[in-house]
Amino acid sequence: EVQLVESGGGLIQPGGSLRLSCAATGFTVSSNYMSWVRQAPGRGLEWVSGIYSGGITDYADSVEGRFTISRDNSKDTLYLQMDSLGAEDTAVYYCARADIVAGLPLVNWGQGTLVTVSS
Amino acid sequence: AIQMTQSPSSLSASVGDRVTITCRASQGIRNDLAWYQQKPGKAPKLLIYAASSLQSGVPSRFSGSGSGTDFTLTISSLQPEDFATYYCLQDHNYSLSFGGGTKVEFK
Repeated sequence: EVQLVESGGGLIQPGGSLRLSCAATGFTVSSNYMSWVRQAPGRGLEWVSGIYSGGITDYADSVEGRFTISRDNSKDTLYLQMDSLGAEDTAVYYCARADIVAGLPLVNWGQGTLVTVSS
Repeated sequence: AIQMTQSPSSLSASVGDRVTITCRASQGIRNDLAWYQQKPGKAPKLLIYAASSLQSGVPSRFSGSGSGTDFTLTISSLQPEDFATYYCLQDHNYSLSFGGGTKVEFK
């Protein structure tokens, strides 16, 4: 069974850094497209970043240069390093997997981890 | 980046109603569009992919159509469990983007 479990969220001061983790079971992270999606309180979904099986990465303009997506193939874990955090980054962060072989977009999601940026 | 404009942002409907939600892309995306349902405090759930393909386990009252820039999600007969927020997602290029969402509420 495919499962994604995020961790690493919490309260952080403006300007600070945080690293989110997403532990995957039931599939191989390095063989799939993985993504981070966030949702600010009371707002809609916002795609943040993605990493393809070949290692190509991409970012939303709102986080480009501040966030870095990566993965540890040996641990089947996805990461999101977040630097220079601001209040606008306060959100629930979800990791999600696309099943490229089956032709499915973001089909498996974690439960989300809350990041609150506040002094 | 491709912009996705979703409408309406909210609607009120009754059980049994036919509901239609639209999504327009700022440029052509072939059929690279998906629809999601999200309930409060929960992760999104994939309903439709490739514009019109029903995800496994999703009731047949949900359907999708469209190609290019204009897409539609239809719920043929709204059920109590369908009151939720719906989002479109384009995965045409590396940078994905969501529509703004449509909240379906009780009339």
